[in-house]
Amino acid sequence: ETGVTQTPRHLVMGMTNKKSLKCEQHLGHNAMYWYKQSAKKPLELMFVYNFKEQTENNSVPSRFSPECPNSSHLFLHLHTLQPEDSALYLCASSLGVRTGALNTEAFFGQGTRLTVV
Amino acid sequence: RKEVEQDPGPFNVPEGATVAFNCTYSNSASQSFFWYRQDCRKEPKLLMSVYSSGNEDGRFTAQLNRASQYISLLIRDSKLSDSATYLCAVKGPLYGGSQGNLIFGKGTKLSVKP
Repeated sequence: ETGVTQTPRHLVMGMTNKKSLKCEQHLGHNAMYWYKQSAKKPLELMFVYNFKEQTENNSVPSRFSPECPNSSHLFLHLHTLQPEDSALYLCASSLGVRTGALNTEAFFGQGTRLTVV
Repeated sequence: RKEVEQDPGPFNVPEGATVAFNCTYSNSASQSFFWYRQDCRKEPKLLMSVYSSGNEDGRFTAQLNRASQYISLLIRDSKLSDSATYLCAVKGPLYGGSQGNLIFGKGTKLSVKP
């Protein structure tokens, strides 16, 4: 059982398709993140939402569009992707990053393995 | 200098060996530190937080050296099941570009052999 759930687990899409990744957390956290992990590369932070407000956009191309309707849900809308966007997309959540709390470890979902063809 | 750096390895060790990983961070104002474990094609999972005084959890010991800006993870009596990639994560200060976000290292791959 995981406190952070991602769907779908696997996705194959064409370069002209539009799809969305979904993430839901049941941990009562206030911050949610999208990370990208390509083969043999480190985790790359893409977006951060803190109390539903986007606080980080790490120079991500506009073909990736995040949405955070509430503190428990996070979406990543995808359109006109490129083959090099194929990767594992990980959602994570933690206590709000602007709090003074030290226990701000992030908990990850199982990821969506995306293949762009 | 990269924000968080780790030796990518791989570290190939026999069962029962003791192995240690280091992770350096560039921002001296970083607040919190963590070790994650990631199995192949799986998500990272929190292994342990790293406290200023150092902490131990069974065969695993984490240390923080603020003066030299690094954290370490020591694994004693390594098991086959310890084979994984170990990621360090550092929470930056609330001010500046990091805004308190968790920044991950590239990970160190450990392979424990029979």
